[in-house]
Amino acid sequence: DQQVKQNSPSLSVQEGRISILNCDYTNSMFDYFLWYKKYPAEGPTFLISISSIKDKNEDGRFTVFLNKSAKHLSLHIVPSQPGDSAVYFCAAQTSGNTPLVFGKGTRLSVIA
Amino acid sequence: DAGITQSPRHKVTETGTPVTLRCHQTENHRYMYWYRQDPGHGLRLIHYSYGVKDTDKGEVSDGYSVSRSKTEDFLLTLESATSSQTSVYFCAISGDWTSQYFGPGTRLLVL
Repeated sequence: DQQVKQNSPSLSVQEGRISILNCDYTNSMFDYFLWYKKYPAEGPTFLISISSIKDKNEDGRFTVFLNKSAKHLSLHIVPSQPGDSAVYFCAAQTSGNTPLVFGKGTRLSVIA
Repeated sequence: DAGITQSPRHKVTETGTPVTLRCHQTENHRYMYWYRQDPGHGLRLIHYSYGVKDTDKGEVSDGYSVSRSKTEDFLLTLESATSSQTSVYFCAISGDWTSQYFGPGTRLLVL
């Protein structure tokens, strides 16, 4: 049973516009969430994270929003740039030293 | 960038042969992980280690074994490779359970 779901396999956005990537989770014990970015032929790299005690975390052009009641988080990229084209993975974790659980990823294409 | 390397980076092997992938870190991180990435499945955890000689199974551990005799090295072994194990394998390290840093990956083809 998939605990972390990224229901959109792909997303296309024009350069300069907002990209919104969504992630849903089923395990209410998750209390820490992360986004990773992956370019082809490279390993994933950490992008941004959020703790369950917050509902928003911002880092430059990247903002993650968490809605605990809906078990939903989203990553906003504003403005989108062609270099943002990559696969984005959502990941979640319960407290108490447990491994991350990853979603299947969303491929973002930013069109110039 | 975190000091993490994987070897080999590419490998072609035949069904039934044993294969060992190596992950090496220079960060002295406690935790190390092996994932596989497949189309439609994202990143799935195979095995992980929380210290020397301390390992545990992940979501897709069948057909794989691991060993960690030194802090810096985490080996993943396919005892008898099958075509279903054709994949891209990523090693990751972390000083705690979050903030994982990934290696560049090993592309394995089992014929």
